[in-house]
Amino acid sequence: GESVGLHLPTLSVQEGDNSIINCAYSNSASDYFIWYKQESGKGPQFIIDIRSNMDKRQGQRVTVLLNKTVKHLSLQIAATQPGDSAVYFCAENVSGGSYIPTFGRGTSLIVHP
Amino acid sequence: DSGVTQTPKHLITATGQRVTLRCSPRSGDLSVYWYQQSLDQGLQFLIQYYNGEERAKGNILERFSAQQFPDLHSELNLSSLELGDSALYFCASSPRTGLDEQFFGPGTRLTVL
Repeated sequence: GESVGLHLPTLSVQEGDNSIINCAYSNSASDYFIWYKQESGKGPQFIIDIRSNMDKRQGQRVTVLLNKTVKHLSLQIAATQPGDSAVYFCAENVSGGSYIPTFGRGTSLIVHP
Repeated sequence: DSGVTQTPKHLITATGQRVTLRCSPRSGDLSVYWYQQSLDQGLQFLIQYYNGEERAKGNILERFSAQQFPDLHSELNLSSLELGDSALYFCASSPRTGLDEQFFGPGTRLTVL
């Protein structure tokens, strides 16, 4: 498959464990955040988003936490499965009606059966 | 399958040349976005079109241009190619503009020799 990046931080977990992937963003004016999953050889896939008026949002097996004070975003994956193995990256955006996102470099999640 | 199609899948060309990448959005989606993903720069937003008009511009070089046609498909034109333009180019689409969930295509791998 395609390599989406070299020297990415890697998180290795056992199947069934909970995973936490972190992202530090840079722009204090950012008010919209997205987590993407990218499997080898595929395009990014939207997982979950959160706006700055929230500090937590839950989806199916995923939770995103936003700490605006320290400009930190995390993605929690419950009961991690081998199919969750991928590169995960966050994107920050200053909306104001436009969409001009800045993407993090990503974290490689490896789930061992 | 996201419903977004991109052609070609792979493209190999020489420095100084010009290429055109094509994207067909999901049925009904009015917005098309172009991204570049390279090993050293990660994923970068290039440009967005909505219903035929340019809506947002990111880190797109002047040598690059794009357009969206009346049937909503889009083309990204890359000219005077340099070695550093070698990357994966993704197209994504969304129903409207602003902060909709985006659906990414499989990408075009461009190699400039």
